[in-house]
Amino acid sequence: GAGVSQTPSNKVTEKGKYVELRCDPISGHTALYWYRQSLGQGPEFLIYFQGTGAADDSGLPNDRFFAVRPEGSVSTLKIQRTERGDSAVYLCASSSRTGSDTQYFGPGTRLTVL
Amino acid sequence: DAKTTQPNSMESNEEEPVHLPCNHSTISGTDYIHWYRQLPSQGPEYVIHGLTSNVNNRMASLAIAEDRKSSTLILHRATLRDAAVYYCILRASGTYKYIFGTGTRLKVLA
Repeated sequence: GAGVSQTPSNKVTEKGKYVELRCDPISGHTALYWYRQSLGQGPEFLIYFQGTGAADDSGLPNDRFFAVRPEGSVSTLKIQRTERGDSAVYLCASSSRTGSDTQYFGPGTRLTVL
Repeated sequence: DAKTTQPNSMESNEEEPVHLPCNHSTISGTDYIHWYRQLPSQGPEYVIHGLTSNVNNRMASLAIAEDRKSSTLILHRATLRDAAVYYCILRASGTYKYIFGTGTRLKVLA
């Protein structure tokens, strides 16, 4: 079946602009996660959704970052007033939250803030 | 969160076995050991996981020390497509987020 998809694959924006990154999880997966990966580092947890609600947003770096999942499926990560330090690959993962709770990752969105 | 320690990089010859070590001396009794790998320009890919017993699947084997303070991911016959960064991650039972380290970059030589 289809895996996790993320759009766009690449996003270039200017400092100060607003961006939205989209994640389509595997069908039927109730849990959704966002991670951020800087060059040469492992992914860093941002936020976790169980259904429509954010169960844990402790990884969001500041209030410029916000994520929604209004219908419990697709999620959007929103970044306001982007800064050059926000440049990274943003990864989305989903899981069924049963058994081993294995997370399945999408290919990521590479965000570049000029 | 319990930490893991992995070598920064390793090399292997093609078609030879590879043993990727991971130390997790502060592991607790309910922490699962997960291994993921990340190929260039892709998201992390699940490899294997375990709790106490050794595990085998079509991709690899996971050997867990008796005291659970270390584990080893075993690729039985490395191929060029196995070149990737391998992450060893601990996840506490009932929790959900993965805490990634910097992983081991595996280079496979033809």
